[in-house]
Amino acid sequence: DGGITQSPKYLFRKEGQNVTLSCEQNLNHDAMYWYRQDPGQGLRLIYYSQIVNDFQKGDIAEGYSVSREKKESFPLTVTSAQKNPTAFYLCASRADMTGGVDEQFFGPGTRLTVL
Amino acid sequence: RKEVEQDPGPFNVPEGATVAFNCTYSNSASQSFFWYRQDCRKEPKLLMSVYSSGNEDGRFTAQLNRASQYISLLIRDSKLSDSATYLCVVRFNTGGFKTIFGAGTRLFVKA
Repeated sequence: DGGITQSPKYLFRKEGQNVTLSCEQNLNHDAMYWYRQDPGQGLRLIYYSQIVNDFQKGDIAEGYSVSREKKESFPLTVTSAQKNPTAFYLCASRADMTGGVDEQFFGPGTRLTVL
Repeated sequence: RKEVEQDPGPFNVPEGATVAFNCTYSNSASQSFFWYRQDCRKEPKLLMSVYSSGNEDGRFTAQLNRASQYISLLIRDSKLSDSATYLCVVRFNTGGFKTIFGAGTRLFVKA
């Protein structure tokens, strides 16, 4: 089955610790995205990547870092510099590099709680 | 003003009712429009794309009004399983494509 997987589903972290969220896709999609969702708010873009070894900051990149060493993988690191990291993190991918009308497919999300 | 705005609801309707949601967008260069459905604590999933001529998928009808810069979603004969949050999504090109998600409209369908 093709799709996007994220792990872990739930993650607890102590303040001051870095943590890495995994995102893997076997859809052969070029573009991948990381979003953050907080209650009552829309999805906010953290980082995105349109091609391997290249990525761009989204609207709320401060305190986060990413890498794109393989087409299938786009891990997100939440660093200790992120002031309010407790949120629902969603990874997505999209096939069309030209920005056409095709949809984004989402992984099941990781719910991060900072204790 | 937010780039994409939705009435957060919640909309509480009985089974069988017809319910409509609107979504307004501020960027007139917007090119692609979608409705996603998100169940509680789950990921968003595409419900339908919205085309200029309007489109229908079973009980769901989506329409686009470019002049007034809004899109709408109509759900007929509501089912209990329609209870979810509906996200309006707009994509526009400003030297690179950008996708904006609305905060969503919550729908509760009751027996």
